[in-house]
Amino acid sequence: DSGVTQTPKHLITATGQRVTLRCSPRSGDLSVYWYQQSLDQGLQFLIQYYNGEERAKGNILERFSAQQFPDLHSELNLSSLELGDSALYFCASSFRVTPGELFFGEGSRLTVL
Amino acid sequence: QQPVQSPQAVILREGEDAVINCSSSKALYSVHWYRQKHGEAPVFLMILLKGGEQKGHDKISASFNEKKQQSSLYLTASQLSYSGTYFCGTEYTEKLVFGKGTKLTVNP
Repeated sequence: DSGVTQTPKHLITATGQRVTLRCSPRSGDLSVYWYQQSLDQGLQFLIQYYNGEERAKGNILERFSAQQFPDLHSELNLSSLELGDSALYFCASSFRVTPGELFFGEGSRLTVL
Repeated sequence: QQPVQSPQAVILREGEDAVINCSSSKALYSVHWYRQKHGEAPVFLMILLKGGEQKGHDKISASFNEKKQQSSLYLTASQLSYSGTYFCGTEYTEKLVFGKGTKLTVNP
């Protein structure tokens, strides 16, 4: 158990819908990272927050947004969902602002039908 | 920007050795290695911070050649528990970007 909690574990929705994925980092960790994992695409970096502020952005679609709240939990919002958004979304946390050892949650599997 | 890993997949028998390579077109400041077992989350193995540095984790070690912008992960006397997908990650403007992974299968 990494100490990082992600909800929901599984989510099935339809195209055009909007979903919110939630992540609670390990106690004491200030950085939260979001990654998307699709078949054959490895781990695609989406976005990083540190202590409530956006620190780094990857190839995150405009339909996706994220935020980190004062209690340090983070939410990833995915809207106008397309079939290609089906993937496993991981959240990871670390103490430092620069990438050190990341602790990954178990992921949220999103299926768009 | 995404590091390139090779090979894409490797199959071993228990006790054999393997090398996984990771290269980048950009200057490397650090290389991170993770292992992901099937159906599980990625788990941290090690970070290499200096050029030419080697670090170890049980019978898994790695080297980092800053000049060549390459890192290699060495798995010695592989065990069944080593099976999984290995990812290397490189830091780029505070982003940790991973390669597509190398799937390692260790058979009895």
